[in-house]
Amino acid sequence: EPEVTQTPSHQVTQMGQEVILRCVPISNHLYFYWYRQILGQKVEFLVSFYNNEISEKSEIFDDQFSVERPDGSNFTLKIRSTKLEDSAMYFCASSEALWGVGQPQHFGDGTRLSIL
Amino acid sequence: ILNVEQSPQSLHVQEGDSTNFTCSFPSSNFYALHWYRWETAKSPEALFVMTLNGDEKKKGRISATLNTKEGYSYLYIKGSQPEDSATYLCAFSATGGFKTIFGAGTRLFVKA
Repeated sequence: EPEVTQTPSHQVTQMGQEVILRCVPISNHLYFYWYRQILGQKVEFLVSFYNNEISEKSEIFDDQFSVERPDGSNFTLKIRSTKLEDSAMYFCASSEALWGVGQPQHFGDGTRLSIL
Repeated sequence: ILNVEQSPQSLHVQEGDSTNFTCSFPSSNFYALHWYRWETAKSPEALFVMTLNGDEKKKGRISATLNTKEGYSYLYIKGSQPEDSATYLCAFSATGGFKTIFGAGTRLFVKA
């Protein structure tokens, strides 16, 4: 069964550094999402992406964050100038086009980001 | 602020017990309600997506119902097995948007 893959599984970065989290969504999916889960808290929506542009972003997704689909297969989340509070598990998800958020989302295994 | 609440927070049952959990969500601007199963060290796995009031979905021993007018959904597990041990997440999507709001989950422990 096709799956969403995320790399790296764990990223340790110094505060203030830039980090790029990578995701390869399922190939025929057209909606892409990033979520994060800070330890002990709920899974939080960051951003959705469709047709090569952001379709919605949360209040968390400020100018520090950006997303890109550079080559038609990868979907990346960049965090500029990381802060301690960016430490979390970051999940990528994708879904088929029809009905958008009415479709089940397929999640990757996540990237654990640790900011020192 | 959209909020999704799940209860109970955790549940311990014996193998063979039937159990159910609740998800409460905003009753206005409803578009879809998702249920996911999340095992430790794995990724969340989609169980159901429900979009219509009165929807009932079933997958093996797991079923779910939806009441959009009052803003709740129930997930039922019949004859729980140890392999059902996981966190069960529900998530709400409103009309006109792409955001999915997750509840905190119900952590189920099934003892053999």
